[in-house]
Amino acid sequence: AQRVTQPEKLLSVFKGAPVELKCNYSYSGSPELFWYVQYSRQRLQLLLRHISRESIKGFTADLNKGETSFHLKKPFAQEEDSAMYYCALDKVDSSYKLIFGSGTRLLVRP
Amino acid sequence: KAGVTQTPRYLIKTRGQQVTLSCSPISGHRSVSWYQQTPGQGLQFLFEYFSETQRNKGNFPGRFSGRQFSNSRSEMNVSTLELGDSALYLCASSTGQAQESPLHFGNGTRLTVT
Repeated sequence: AQRVTQPEKLLSVFKGAPVELKCNYSYSGSPELFWYVQYSRQRLQLLLRHISRESIKGFTADLNKGETSFHLKKPFAQEEDSAMYYCALDKVDSSYKLIFGSGTRLLVRP
Repeated sequence: KAGVTQTPRYLIKTRGQQVTLSCSPISGHRSVSWYQQTPGQGLQFLFEYFSETQRNKGNFPGRFSGRQFSNSRSEMNVSTLELGDSALYLCASSTGQAQESPLHFGNGTRLTVT
């Protein structure tokens, strides 16, 4: 079965510390992986997708097919990074049918 | 460009009733998807419409249905409401070609079933 696992419900770090939000997936086909973010009182929005291979707001994520992981990383956390982060999986085709993880709340303390 | 608009923002219904939720996509977007978000199950895909046709469907009972109009606006209907249908319902739109366009979410409709 297709599944996305985010093992941490809450990740608390101090400003300036490195951040790694974990995401593991199970999928038999060729996946497309995403990270979505929801800041306080804002709508869910795309942070990055693996096919773009971009760095957004200092965040990067590398798809590791051997470990079936797509961890989100940032070398130096900022207070404004505090938000809910969701990892999501989709198959590679023209439509969206996202499978979301349960989410990780990132809290960056001053 | 205006974002994805969902109405109403809040709804309170009683068991057994039915409800209709509305979603207006971003101008030019032809695909509309619906997701249910609950504390227990998280975000789950309901269905996706593209050019007035259901293109994808999640694992929800037939009480959950939707449709899309020629202007790409979409409605979702839930009949014979159950307490477990209480959730935040999110609508998202895209151009219809996932490789070209990210998915844009609305603020959601919070449904409470009593």
